[in-house]
Amino acid sequence: EAAVTQSPRSKVAVTGGKVTLSCHQTNNHDYMYWYRQDTGHGLRLIHYSYVADSTEKGDIPDGYKASRPSQENFSLILELASLSQTAVYFCASSSQGATEVFFGKGTRLTVV
Amino acid sequence: GDSVTQTEGQVALSEEDFLTIHCNYSASGYPTLFWYVQYPGEGPQLLFRASRDKEKGSSRGFEATYDKGTTSFHLRKASVQESDSAVYYCALSDYNVGDNSKLIWGLGTSLVVNP
Repeated sequence: EAAVTQSPRSKVAVTGGKVTLSCHQTNNHDYMYWYRQDTGHGLRLIHYSYVADSTEKGDIPDGYKASRPSQENFSLILELASLSQTAVYFCASSSQGATEVFFGKGTRLTVV
Repeated sequence: GDSVTQTEGQVALSEEDFLTIHCNYSASGYPTLFWYVQYPGEGPQLLFRASRDKEKGSSRGFEATYDKGTTSFHLRKASVQESDSAVYYCALSDYNVGDNSKLIWGLGTSLVVNP
């Protein structure tokens, strides 16, 4: 079964600190995505990637960086965490055309 | 650009009630339409999709019909159960707009079914 695994599942970070969220997929999918979920805003795309060693900006990339060192792994990096980045973050993967997008269980990030 | 509008932000029903969640879309091409469901503590998962006018998607008693004329893909279920409590997302993928692997999402509808 298709699987997307996120770590950690929850994290408390200090304002101004660096945060790295990790994602691993065993779906053999080319596309990977990072979404942010907030009440009232639904799912918003931060960064995505369709090939290793390359990332693309999504709709809300400011304050976030992404890294895709291999087809299986995709990280989201907050260099200077801010209070406004408190949210639930989802990693996902799909084949081209996104006929089905598979999501991880999410990471709840709290910045204090 | 392309967009998806879900009219209801929250819906509260009792078991065995009829459910309708409205989804309208705007797209420059001929999109594929999706319904995703997100249960508490989980990521969204595909409920079903439809890619042609008048095509009906269905799963777990839920259904929606692709209507190109009214640009709609409304989600319906005849008799909801408490276990259907979740957030429901309508989404689209459009081949004609850049990278069709980027889904366009509605804001989601939170469904609460009371026993």
